[in-house]
Amino acid sequence: AQSVAQPEDQVNVAEGNPLTVKCTYSVSGNPYLFWYVQYPNRGLQFLLKYITGDNLVKGSYGFEAEFNKSQTSFHLKKPSALVSDSALYFCAVRDGFGQGSSNTGKLIFGQGTTLQVKP
Amino acid sequence: DSGVTQTPKHLITATGQRVTLRCSPRSGDLSVYWYQQSLDQGLQFLIQYYNGEERAKGNILERFSAQQFPDLHSELNLSSLELGDSALYFCASSASATSGRSYNDQFFGPGTRLTVL
Repeated sequence: AQSVAQPEDQVNVAEGNPLTVKCTYSVSGNPYLFWYVQYPNRGLQFLLKYITGDNLVKGSYGFEAEFNKSQTSFHLKKPSALVSDSALYFCAVRDGFGQGSSNTGKLIFGQGTTLQVKP
Repeated sequence: DSGVTQTPKHLITATGQRVTLRCSPRSGDLSVYWYQQSLDQGLQFLIQYYNGEERAKGNILERFSAQQFPDLHSELNLSSLELGDSALYFCASSASATSGRSYNDQFFGPGTRLTVL
């Protein structure tokens, strides 16, 4: 079964410092990986995805993620954190591929990591 | 703004009651997914519809049901509500493989916060 794990409940970083939010995955076949962010009292916002291609994926708001097949990881990074980046971050893997009748496309989420950026 | 709308934003009800949550997907999206976010279970997939037909079921209770209508909006019905059903319920939509847009991306609505007292 597909799964993702976010080993840290919370990450604290000072504004201006680089940040990393960790995610590891377990899938059969090639993974389709995603990062979403949730601000308080808001829905989930798509940040970036890895489907295939370059291992370094660039996304919204200056975030990027590095896909590492050997370590089965997909860590979210940003070179310089902002206080406004403080939020709940979710890593997810897509279950199945395409729109065939046997594939669902549902997302399987990690438990989430709270990012706290302090001024 | 993702283009996915959900109503109502908040719902407060009592145990044993029944409620209906509504979702309108992005224009042209055929797939609708429902997820539940709770403190103890995290974000869990409940059910998926594709062009009016149920495509997949996740950890959805028998007291819960959903449907997708011809205009592609979807409703999640929760009945015989229990305290533990209090959660944030999200709807997401994605494009079809023939739409020319990426069908891998799911766009989430703002959610409906359900409180069962």
